[in-house]
Amino acid sequence: GAGVSQSPSNKVTEKGKDVELRCDPISGHTALYWYRQSLGQGLEFLIYFQGNSAPDKSGLPSDRFSAERTGGSVSTLTIQRTQQEDSAVYLCASSFRTGDTEAFFGQGTRLTVV
Amino acid sequence: AQKVTQAQTEISVVEKEDVTLDCVYETRDTTYYLFWYKQPPSGELVFLIRRNSFDEQNEISGRYSWNFQKSTSSFNFTITASQVVDSAVYFCALRGFGGSARQLTFGSGTQLTVLP
Repeated sequence: GAGVSQSPSNKVTEKGKDVELRCDPISGHTALYWYRQSLGQGLEFLIYFQGNSAPDKSGLPSDRFSAERTGGSVSTLTIQRTQQEDSAVYLCASSFRTGDTEAFFGQGTRLTVV
Repeated sequence: AQKVTQAQTEISVVEKEDVTLDCVYETRDTTYYLFWYKQPPSGELVFLIRRNSFDEQNEISGRYSWNFQKSTSSFNFTITASQVVDSAVYFCALRGFGGSARQLTFGSGTQLTVLP
């Protein structure tokens, strides 16, 4: 597609359940980022993938969070045993490379844990 | 470590007024990149501009202009003759070079409301 695609756009889950969020980056983009935005807050970095390099997981808030990127394209962010504080909009972005290129963002997945 | 500070949490102006959004950054990198993004009520982040640290020339794009001053570590954004459609949250972001180029570090955002 022309832009970064995220699915689902909205997800409501019960506390304790696992959820998977999907990101389909722009074709040809080697860098992929996940961010989290809580209501009325800024963007919190979660994880970064660049090509075949080991991902930068330094932003993951706990071991309940994990992400993978298959074939250097689609990425899945998994949250296990969801908690209410996980409720937020999860944003995915991709860029052609790192450094001097801008990142393009998807519309996000709004996660609500009840 | 990188840090971006947007001290203005909310700004409200009347249509046609000029408004400047402040951004101050911290980085140890000598080469870095600065960005501004707009987040309208729809939620999607829209890229506005990228600036390299070695290019201090200010830029104007229509009603938008950016003032990059390395000496004060600032990258301010001015909207001239604001319009209601400019109402959004604006984020300033920083990305370093090399090892620290892995992530975009965002400021906390400035909510701009343009009143008719």
